This record gives sequence, structure tokens and C-alpha cells, in this order.
Amino acid sequence: KAGVTQTPRYLIKTRGQQVTLSCSPISGHRSVSWYQQTPGQGLQFLFEYFSETQRNKGNFPGRFSGRQFSNSRSEMNVSTLELGDSALYLCASSLDVGYEQFFGPGTRLTVL
Amino acid sequence: AQSVTQLDSHVSVSEGTPVLLRCNYSSSYSPSLFWYVQHPNKGLQLLLKYTSAATLVKGINGFEAEFKKSETSFHLTKPSAHMSDAAEYFCVVSVAWEYNQGGKLIFGQGTELSVKP
Repeated sequence: KAGVTQTPRYLIKTRGQQVTLSCSPISGHRSVSWYQQTPGQGLQFLFEYFSETQRNKGNFPGRFSGRQFSNSRSEMNVSTLELGDSALYLCASSLDVGYEQFFGPGTRLTVL
Repeated sequence: AQSVTQLDSHVSVSEGTPVLLRCNYSSSYSPSLFWYVQHPNKGLQLLLKYTSAATLVKGINGFEAEFKKSETSFHLTKPSAHMSDAAEYFCVVSVAWEYNQGGKLIFGQGTELSVKP
């Protein structure tokens, strides 16, 4: 069974630009969660989608948004990038809450 | 509110010696607890999970953890460290909302494990 895939793996953007990251979950998984990892703040929850609906959102500004498609693939978008958005963005998929979450390798975003 | 505290930001051991990574949790009800490992430039891999069955949980690669409710602890141990164990380890609590409204994972700050030859 293929694991969680994330594209692109690395991304360099400048302040003010926007970016879209993609996540393909494990086949059959309907829950997709996104996390931001930085040296200062550690791993923080961004949002979770289940069957195309956002069920939960973390404490991030509205510049961070996401969506999920009917095939469970998910995208997250960050608009008006700031230097502080530089981070590793991790996607995780699971059957549902309470089940093991499987993580992708992450997308390393650098904002210059 | 649920939270997780990893008591050591860095632990260094010699190869072949025991490993102890400490974690305390705070939860208003019986929690689901996990340990994840992250190798450099890799995603997170689940080592083991506690979901209110046996209090001693065995995971992959020889790791195990013991859930102690009285001490609100979930420490990770391994009898004999291997060079390949060098990585960052995260203690995690799962928060689930009611009525199947989803949930999230709350991560500790991580413990970096170094293994000396």
C-alpha cells in the first residue's frame, strides 16, 4: 500500500506570494490533517478534513486555508507569505479520529 | 485541556545502554497517547500507542512505554540503544471531539536522542 505523499518536497517563495501544497492520503483514508513544524513552536495543528469537510482548525490566521477533494486528496494554501511561515508542513491521513495517523515526508517551505 | 510535556530536550546515551525518554501528560479524561519518531529530513513514524488496554505497550524496534495514571506519565524505554535510534522523539496525545467531530494530535516539544558509539 502506498504511503502518504506530499508535493512538492521543497519550495522557495518570497514574502507576499502565495503557495499551494498538496497531499495524497493512503487509499481508503478519509481524514487528512495538516501540521506545521518549526524549531521555535514545534509541531502545531493546522486543520483536519474528513469527506471534503473541514472539521477542525487550529489557531492560525485566515491566510492559512485548505480543502479536500472527493478522492480525499487535500491541498493547503498560504496567502501573503511572511518570513515566519518558513516551516516543514506535514500532512497525515487516517481512517478517522482515534485511528493511527500516517504522516507524509513533508514539504519544506522557505520564505525569503 | 490536554497537554504533553517532554522533560528532556536532549538525551545522549552510548550504544548498547538503556534509553529512557520521559513524558508527562495532562488530560481531563482517559487519553490516547502515542510516541512518534522523526529521523532527519523524514516524516513522522509511529513507534507505539496506548489506548486504554494494557498499560505496558510494546512498539516497533524494541521500544516500549508504560502508562502510569497516578503519575500522569508515559515514558519511552528501550533496553539497548542502537546507532540507528538517533532521531527526534515526540510524545503525543490525541484529542477527539464529541459526536465524531474530528480531532487533533497535540505534540510535545520533542526529545533529541543521540547515540554514541
